[in-house]
Amino acid sequence: GNSVTQMEGPVTLSEEAFLTINCTYTATGYPSLFWYVQYPGEGLQLLLKATKADDKGSNKGFEATYRKETTSFHLEKGSVQVSDSAVYFCALTENSGGSNYKLTFGKGTLLTVNP
Amino acid sequence: SQTIHQWPATLVQPVGSPLSLECTVEGTSNPNLYWYRQAAGRGLQLLFYSVGIGQISSEVPQNLSASRPQDRQFILSSKKLLLSDSGFYLCAWMKRDSWGYTFGSGTRLTVV
Repeated sequence: GNSVTQMEGPVTLSEEAFLTINCTYTATGYPSLFWYVQYPGEGLQLLLKATKADDKGSNKGFEATYRKETTSFHLEKGSVQVSDSAVYFCALTENSGGSNYKLTFGKGTLLTVNP
Repeated sequence: SQTIHQWPATLVQPVGSPLSLECTVEGTSNPNLYWYRQAAGRGLQLLFYSVGIGQISSEVPQNLSASRPQDRQFILSSKKLLLSDSGFYLCAWMKRDSWGYTFGSGTRLTVV
């Protein structure tokens, strides 16, 4: 079955530091890959996505590139802010056809950015 | 525009009591609907999904159940809550043949 493995954290950084959160996946077909963000006490919001190999998803200064050869989708940001403090989830869904697409999530990585 | 509503936001229930969490979607038709649970330190677990009225698929055997009485309404229920049912419950919807999940704001359930 499908699975997502991401670094568990917690990750603590100072403001303006560089961020990398690693994510690797296992899938039988051709998945689409996502990063979701959960701010304290809230639901999940889609941060970025990539639907095929070599695609780069980007949003709010965050980037992730779909690497099929390494089955990875690492999240990066060049300069984090205090407001980026949240839990980040890597996820995938497969291009398996039909009418249902189930997201498989990693366990989440808690990021804390200190001023 | 499409919106998803989930309530209540927080709930404290005694062990053995019943549960009903409701989720409704507005501004779309025939969505796929999902219930996830987020337990402390365990990430997100898919509990149920539905591709149409009355169609429920269960991912994890447990004492919870789900129903979809209307196209845009998804209900999570339990007849008798266990301590292990505590967690953060998230409803989500997805438009057919797209890749975008939209999540509700969640219900934090504490079973005491």
